[in-house]
Amino acid sequence: KNEVEQSPQNLTAQEGEFITINCSYSVGISALHWLQQHPGGGIVSLFMLSSGKKKHGRLIATINIQEKHSSLHITASHPRDSAVYICAVKGQGAQKLVFGQGTRLTINP
Amino acid sequence: SAVISQKPSRDICQRGTSLTIQCQVDSQVTMMFWYRQQPGQSLTLIATANQGSEATYESGFVIDKFPISRPNLTFSTLTVSNLSPEDSSIYLCSVESGGVETQYFGPGTRLLVL
Repeated sequence: KNEVEQSPQNLTAQEGEFITINCSYSVGISALHWLQQHPGGGIVSLFMLSSGKKKHGRLIATINIQEKHSSLHITASHPRDSAVYICAVKGQGAQKLVFGQGTRLTINP
Repeated sequence: SAVISQKPSRDICQRGTSLTIQCQVDSQVTMMFWYRQQPGQSLTLIATANQGSEATYESGFVIDKFPISRPNLTFSTLTVSNLSPEDSSIYLCSVESGGVETQYFGPGTRLLVL
């Protein structure tokens, strides 16, 4: 079993729909990151969470430390949101990130 | 924040040759990370590079195949040696910056080995 599991692996939705991507992890963590990777390969850091909830524009990220679970939500989705979304965690006392397999999101106009 | 640039952005190389990838950061950082992303896969850490010391390699990666230089706090290079088609991947440089451990990634170098 991977330390970081994401679901779904692939998600296709219509423009305007509310999107939820889930991330579960099995170890105690000091931080959880949500990353966005566009087809060209470059990665953008969306959020770093250690507790609670963060919001940036149409993106919302939540984390439940007790349940070892995080969600990334996109409101009013748009075709430009189409990308791979990656969850990554840093274990307590660790230097490196452990990555989920990613969720490929496609928003159709 | 940290802005990272990588060179080259992409390359096509012949089997048996080597490719050196450069990573430049616009601020001084202690730790730089090199990742590989094979087609359809997530990121795998190759090594951690600290300025002034030898890079620390992850299991499955060795210095002879992936030599790393870290001459100062803003620059690093990763060389992928003796290329084979299995080395075809995206290679990404990453740093941590800021007191809240925000992770920044370079735009990646897309390598195709023929």
